[in-house]
Amino acid sequence: GENVEQHPSTLSVQEGDSAVIKCTYSDSASNYFPWYKQELGKGPQLIIDIRSNVGEKKDQRIAVTLNKTAKHFSLHITETQPEDSAVYFCAASPLYGNKLVFGAGTILRVKS
Amino acid sequence: DTEVTQTPKHLVMGMTNKKSLKCEQHMGHRAMYWYKQKAKKPPELMFVYSYEKLSINESVPSRFSPECPNSSLLNLHLHALQPEDSALYLCASSDRVGTYEQYFGPGTRLTVT
Repeated sequence: GENVEQHPSTLSVQEGDSAVIKCTYSDSASNYFPWYKQELGKGPQLIIDIRSNVGEKKDQRIAVTLNKTAKHFSLHITETQPEDSAVYFCAASPLYGNKLVFGAGTILRVKS
Repeated sequence: DTEVTQTPKHLVMGMTNKKSLKCEQHMGHRAMYWYKQKAKKPPELMFVYSYEKLSINESVPSRFSPECPNSSLLNLHLHALQPEDSALYLCASSDRVGTYEQYFGPGTRLTVT
């Protein structure tokens, strides 16, 4: 089955700096890769996703890149702000799959 | 609107109690999910409903009993739980089962005493 590894487990950055979180997956059949942000006491919020027919996707300060050959994908947050502090989860889902496999999560702290 | 609502927000129950968690979405989604999340861990899938029929049960103990009364509602009935079942229970929905965006509710924080 699919296995997703996520690094780093914690990341501290200065406000205004960029943050990068990386995930690798094992199942080459996976073709859908969402990223979720979870703030304390809340449910995960879908912030961006990418499908395997696309190499990069941007939405304002966040972007996701996908390298199918290497089987890894990354979340990039530019100009970080204190409100970006949260736990971020990556996930993968195989073609015609019916469930998401999550990474272990990254605690992002943005220091002001 | 991508809102999934869950009630109650918090629940404390004894090991002999029976309680239910409720989830609702009005996005016309035909797939609904229950997840369990322990502290500092990712969500773990418990059940998947597709078109109001149970399609996945991730070997969840029978003390957890899901129900999908209609396409907008999802319940999780709880009975004879153990303290280790204390966790955040999350509901999610998606347009259909498969590689579609899943939207999560805020969760119910369950404590079993």
